[in-house]
Amino acid sequence: AQTVTQSQPEMSVQEAETVTLSCTYDTSESDYYLFWYKQPPSRQMILVIRQEAYKQQNATENRFSVNFQKAAKSFSLKISDSQLGDAAMYFCAYRRGGAQKLVFGQGTRLTINP
Amino acid sequence: GAGVSQSPRYKVAKRGQDVALRCDPISGHVSLFWYQQALGQGPEFLTYFQNEAQLDKSGLPSDRFFAERPEGSVSTLKIQRTQQEDSAVYLCASSSGRVPRTSGYEQYFGPGTRLTVT
Repeated sequence: AQTVTQSQPEMSVQEAETVTLSCTYDTSESDYYLFWYKQPPSRQMILVIRQEAYKQQNATENRFSVNFQKAAKSFSLKISDSQLGDAAMYFCAYRRGGAQKLVFGQGTRLTINP
Repeated sequence: GAGVSQSPRYKVAKRGQDVALRCDPISGHVSLFWYQQALGQGPEFLTYFQNEAQLDKSGLPSDRFFAERPEGSVSTLKIQRTQQEDSAVYLCASSSGRVPRTSGYEQYFGPGTRLTVT
């Protein structure tokens, strides 16, 4: 079974600084997708960024970028120029290609210090 | 258009009561998912529908959990004889079900229903 591990229960960063959240996963599949979701206190999960495993280029979305190391099965999220609105729980998730369900990690609570 | 909506947002049930949680997906979305999120944990998959067909219910924790989507739109998750361990946030998500390879076919989540069993 696929598993996703986030080893940092909590992280904090100063406003305007850069922070990196870690995620590792375990799979024997070659076709899969990886995601980072943000969950603010309102509980609504919001997709931050996605990466297709077949793509070598790391995905970027404005201030958010990933470091996808396929051989190491690592998928970290870098947030640049952190803003107060970035404070939330962040979940790493995996989906096997052709499958439907997402497998989530345990989450990392990110605090932004003004 | 509107996003995924869920009702009620909060539900308190006494142990042994039956509860029904509703999910209204994004209009036209073929796929619908239910996840259970225990306090301080990541969501865990419960079940998946494509239109009205329940294609995967491997995550339902017991036969007390039942989900339906009779007309391929609104879905209801029913929990019979609730137990304290059922206390969690229940998240619903929908997706278009089409799989252009570049999209990874994003799931859009609702705000969840927080169930507390006392």
